[in-house]
Amino acid sequence: GAVVSQHPSRVICKSGTSVKIECRSLDFQATTMFWYRQFPKQSLMLMATSNEGSKATYEQGVEKDKFLINHASLTLSTLTVTSAHPEDSSFYICSARDRQAGEFYNEQFFGPGTRLTVL
Amino acid sequence: AQSVTQLDSHVSVSEGTPVLLRCNYSSSYSPSLFWYVQHPNKGLQLLLKYTSAATLVKGINGFEAEFKKSETSFHLTKPSAHMSDAAEYFCVVSVWGFQKLVFGTGTRLLVSP
Repeated sequence: GAVVSQHPSRVICKSGTSVKIECRSLDFQATTMFWYRQFPKQSLMLMATSNEGSKATYEQGVEKDKFLINHASLTLSTLTVTSAHPEDSSFYICSARDRQAGEFYNEQFFGPGTRLTVL
Repeated sequence: AQSVTQLDSHVSVSEGTPVLLRCNYSSSYSPSLFWYVQHPNKGLQLLLKYTSAATLVKGINGFEAEFKKSETSFHLTKPSAHMSDAAEYFCVVSVWGFQKLVFGTGTRLLVSP
């Protein structure tokens, strides 16, 4: 149980194009999903928190117009990197909280990550 | 505010020898603590978690960690390392009722034959 998938696992795109990454909770409903970014050999940096049916909350320094997050259902959140540039190349990881786990239970289940390379 | 410090960026052990990965935390409230493992180009897998129950927590693959409030520590141990344990390990703290996780900088475990 508690499986989170991401699609695609790898994507290469040209500078200036937009890329959409999907995050799905496969066997549970997730009221809250999180998007992280990880640079090589570094820790995870939280980019934003998305709640189903509402706008995402972005961390300080993260451009919300650059990284569009949509959480349209209890099992799907998407991250769109708009007008991607080489500096956006990174490993993007999503996670999700189980709706049934309760308000105060804060374990997150992580997806396998998406490697974005912008040429 | 919550924070976590992983005291070693790299730990090298020989296969079959004990593993100790150190983690100290800071939290104004009762923390929840987690250890995650990440293999190269993979997502994170939960090894174990502490959520105010037993202070000695057993996880998967023979790992365990002990919550010591007096020392604000949550060190990860394993009696005997296996080659497949080579990976990046993250100590993570959160606070009951708060959604965000705070990650340590990670410890890379190297296992030699």
